[in-house]
Amino acid sequence: NSKVIQTPRYLVKGQGQKAKMRCIPEKGHPVVFWYQQNKNNEFKFLINFQNQEVLQQIDMTEKRFSAECPSNSPCSLEIQSSEAGDSALYLCASSLGTGGYEQYFGPGTRLTVL
Amino acid sequence: GDSVTQTEGLVTLTKGLPVMLNCTYQTTYSPFLFWYVQHLNEAPKLLLKSSTDNKRTEHQGFYATLHKSSSSFHLQKSSVQLSDSALYFCALSDRTNSGTYQRFGTGTKLQVVP
Repeated sequence: NSKVIQTPRYLVKGQGQKAKMRCIPEKGHPVVFWYQQNKNNEFKFLINFQNQEVLQQIDMTEKRFSAECPSNSPCSLEIQSSEAGDSALYLCASSLGTGGYEQYFGPGTRLTVL
Repeated sequence: GDSVTQTEGLVTLTKGLPVMLNCTYQTTYSPFLFWYVQHLNEAPKLLLKSSTDNKRTEHQGFYATLHKSSSSFHLQKSSVQLSDSALYFCALSDRTNSGTYQRFGTGTKLQVVP
């Protein structure tokens, strides 16, 4: 069973507010991914890290999100100014690497933007 | 770029019948294919993975064979159970790290009825 921990499980924010969520990857996993799963259950990749460095991110993440994976602290993903369209399940996953390695997912943070 | 196609959004079956969930992919690199299962309000978890052409891989009664000639990795089970009701996602990665994250299909919801 996955041991990826995500907090909080539920988050409710007003439009324009900041929304911050955290993820503790499985021990020994250097790669962390963030995905957004919408109400149609579709996955959208947001950003990933290897150790503390960003590997890849999409434009939206670069412009509106702030993310980091500091050493010896939880990884975090923060939306700077929440929009209604940001309402989704935010999934964190960790892995031993990229390529053929499986990803271990946390239970997600469900964000509702009112 | 890499992509994954799952053609069925919803599959409804009676308990005990066989199932095949379709997955096709596009990549110019050597692929890794994954099937993840997500039960209601739970984290996605790995069901199967493969990178070997024409070799069947099995887990928990589910099986799939990667066919590079047809770019397919269909998920099958000979007799579905009520507990198999869940979302099933096919995902693609590649060996050359042209992208560092997995591409997910849109998912198939499997609904097993008594």
